[in-house]
Amino acid sequence: KAGVTQTPRYLIKTRGQQVTLSCSPISGHRSVSWYQQTPGQGLQFLFEYFSETQRNKGNFPGRFSGRQFSNSRSEMNVSTLELGDSALYLCASSLGLAEDTQYFGPGTRLTVL
Amino acid sequence: EDQVTQSPEALRLQEGESSSLNCSYTVSGLRGLFWYRQDPGKGPEFLFTLYSAGEEKEKERLKATLTKKESFLHITAPKPEDSATYLCAVQAGNYGGSQGNLIFGKGTKLSVKP
Repeated sequence: KAGVTQTPRYLIKTRGQQVTLSCSPISGHRSVSWYQQTPGQGLQFLFEYFSETQRNKGNFPGRFSGRQFSNSRSEMNVSTLELGDSALYLCASSLGLAEDTQYFGPGTRLTVL
Repeated sequence: EDQVTQSPEALRLQEGESSSLNCSYTVSGLRGLFWYRQDPGKGPEFLFTLYSAGEEKEKERLKATLTKKESFLHITAPKPEDSATYLCAVQAGNYGGSQGNLIFGKGTKLSVKP
């Protein structure tokens, strides 16, 4: 069974630009969660989508947004990039039940210059 | 406030030298505790899920245990390929029917020297 895939793997952007990251979950998984990982803050939850609806959201500014499509694939968008947005963005998928294990993709490394 | 603390931050072992990593947590209603392994530049790789105090799970040289306040990841006779950052995460019980977010600790960076 194929794992979670994320594209692109690496991105370099400049301040003020916007970026879209993509995530394809494991086949059959309906929940997709996004996390930001930085050396200082560790892994922090951004949001979770289930059946095309945002079900939960972390404490990030409105510049961070996402969506989920009918095939469970998800995208996240960051507008007006700031230097502090440089991070590894991780996507995780699960079946969607409350205690299900989340399986992570390889991540997208975003560098903001 | 829900919180997860891992110790030590870093651990250096000789090959074959067994040890334990600690994950202490404060959450309102634990739904699950998860252990992941992360190699540099990669996404976390799932290891174990524990749901209730007293539960134990094993996989090769790793064994995870859970009490009401903490979890331990025991590493028996480690090998250099066990070198990685080990992450602990909890899922709290206050999200209704939703998946809820995982609350991660900062991790323990394990180095095993031959």
